[in-house]
Amino acid sequence: KQEVTQIPAALSVPEGENLVLNCSFTDSAIYNLQWFRQDPGKGLTSLLLIQSSQREQTSGRLNASLDKSSGRSTLYIAASQPGDSATYLCAVIGNDMRFGAGTRLTVKP
Amino acid sequence: EAGVAQSPRYKIIEKRQSVAFWCNPISGHATLYWYQQILGQGPKLLIQFQNNGVVDDSQLPKDRFSAERLKGVDSTLKIQPAKLEDSAVYLCASSPPAPGPPLGEQFFGPGTRLTVL
Repeated sequence: KQEVTQIPAALSVPEGENLVLNCSFTDSAIYNLQWFRQDPGKGLTSLLLIQSSQREQTSGRLNASLDKSSGRSTLYIAASQPGDSATYLCAVIGNDMRFGAGTRLTVKP
Repeated sequence: EAGVAQSPRYKIIEKRQSVAFWCNPISGHATLYWYQQILGQGPKLLIQFQNNGVVDDSQLPKDRFSAERLKGVDSTLKIQPAKLEDSAVYLCASSPPAPGPPLGEQFFGPGTRLTVL
């Protein structure tokens, strides 16, 4: 059974810092991995989707990497802003979609 | 393009009462999902429909939860009777047809926040 773990559970950083969120999974037989953002009381917004054949994806200040063999993915956020404050969820896509519990990020002005 | 619509956005009920949630997926999306997200956890799949047929309902507590997708478009999720531990956000997602695995990319609605008192 696929298990997805996200570390840290919560993170607080000053504005302008670069930061890394971690996601690990137990079964490397996945098709894709996806990072989402969730604002309080809102649904999920897709940030980046990495196919299993890819090593990384970039969108603006976000960069996600995938190492399938070691069961790890990282989300790198450059030059963080207060508007980045949200919960970040990773999900691995195999025969179904399994989510981690998320990292709650606070960026202080 | 309109996104996934859900209603109501919020619902407060007492335990043992019944409640129903509604979801309208993105037009043309064959697959529809209901997830339960308990505070502090990631979403957990309750049920997956392909058109109007059930693909996976292995994590649906069938003694109290039911879902249907008539005509392969809108879907309703019902809880009867509700328990305190059902307090959560219920998320609906849809994905376009895919020729095979993996699943098509899922698009999520805003969710319904249920509080059971």
